[in-house]
Amino acid sequence: DTQMTQSPSSLSASIGDRVTITCQASQDIANSLNWYQQKPGKAPKLLIYDVYNLKKGVPSRFSGSVSGADFTFTISSLQPEDFATYFCQQYHDLPLTFGPGTTVDVK
Amino acid sequence: QVQLQESGPGLVKASETLSLTCSVSGASMTSYYWNWIRQPPGKGLEWIGYIYYSGSGSGSGRTNYNPSLESRGTISLDTSGKQFSLRLRSVTAADTAMYYCASRHEDSSTFSFDYWGQGTLVPVSS
Repeated sequence: DTQMTQSPSSLSASIGDRVTITCQASQDIANSLNWYQQKPGKAPKLLIYDVYNLKKGVPSRFSGSVSGADFTFTISSLQPEDFATYFCQQYHDLPLTFGPGTTVDVK
Repeated sequence: QVQLQESGPGLVKASETLSLTCSVSGASMTSYYWNWIRQPPGKGLEWIGYIYYSGSGSGSGRTNYNPSLESRGTISLDTSGKQFSLRLRSVTAADTAMYYCASRHEDSSTFSFDYWGQGTLVPVSS
């Protein structure tokens, strides 16, 4: 299986902060990576697919990028509704696997 | 708009079979990969498997499962009833989780889960 890691596992931030989360795969996954947001008691929501692409309707403050083996998820200016847990997911290989999540909470 | 809704027993005893159904509206049953994903309390997400219509009648579909299930899982499709189901045999406490159904369009360039049900919590009791 392709193991996904995320860092940090949690972070505290303030409204307006720039937030960055990193995801790494245990093997090459090309650009086969998606990002989800999950709020407590809710199902995850797809935000970004194929590393860079924003799902329709997702605010432009969310973005994704890749540099070498590091996939990065960024919130350019944190808003109150962005406090949540974020997961990466690879689809290069079966079984499909998720990162362990990064929780963004209030500083 | 695709809408998914899980339904199930609410509680399962250890060693028995967990059975869940996902009801689908707003989508053609023959155009999507239909997935089950679970999340133990306070933990991360685990993909269980998917089914997609293979063109040979209701109930038939091609499946793929996470090997972590150790062959205990079966996903089936009811195109006429607009639902798909999960059966997980010989459950243990480790199978206690929120179970989500989720979809991915067959023409999508990515394998992302675009639509999700609200989830159903299934505790396994000893």
